[in-house]
Amino acid sequence: QSVLTQPPSASGTPGQRVTISCSGSSSNIGSNTVNWYQQLPGTAPKLLIYSNNQRPSGVPDRFSGSKSGTSASLAISGLQSEDEADFYCAAWDDSLDGFVFGTGTKVTVL
Amino acid sequence: DVQLVESGGGLVQPGGSLRLSCAASGFTFSSYWMTWVRQGPGKGLEWVACIKQDGSQKYYVDSVKGRFTISRDNAKNSLYLQMSSLRAEDTAVYYCARQAYYDGRDDAFDIWGQGTMVTVSS
Repeated sequence: QSVLTQPPSASGTPGQRVTISCSGSSSNIGSNTVNWYQQLPGTAPKLLIYSNNQRPSGVPDRFSGSKSGTSASLAISGLQSEDEADFYCAAWDDSLDGFVFGTGTKVTVL
Repeated sequence: DVQLVESGGGLVQPGGSLRLSCAASGFTFSSYWMTWVRQGPGKGLEWVACIKQDGSQKYYVDSVKGRFTISRDNAKNSLYLQMSSLRAEDTAVYYCARQAYYDGRDDAFDIWGQGTMVTVSS
């Protein structure tokens, strides 16, 4: 079972800003860094944000991450049709001694 | 090119065993922690296990402890997942991934394989 909670869905029109939340606890987000992954339909996940707010090379600056306390957020500004995908947050959990993923959020471009 | 290629998936009966492999290329395999992640049909991502560069540390999700074993052969640039006592709920696509940036619990999974499907059914 996932210990990081995300909204099941989010949507917006092209050009809009969409934000996805990730709620955890003191044993995961509260004490470790958060990473975000994008999974396009039928493909393997891709790293989008690491260390709370860092973008790997090649990831557009439309994607940004933040963390506060036991919650984190992913923002997509200037939404594009190719952003339709599932998004997952993840972090290490000190109590479980393992990584945990969020429940996942499906982003739809209207 | 940096690449991970999984193999070994297939159909297995409940209670059976299967060994997954992940072949790495394009980077110094022995320098990285490695991880297995799975995704059941229509479900979200679930982390399964990870292993340190020299194999001295291994971590598992509770649901596979005692049944799955992660290992690696740095000379062969390969990661493995030995799965036994398989259950229907282990049915999933299994991905191997490279851990990067921090050398441990703050790592992110920066390179992923294409996945291999494991189906547990009679």
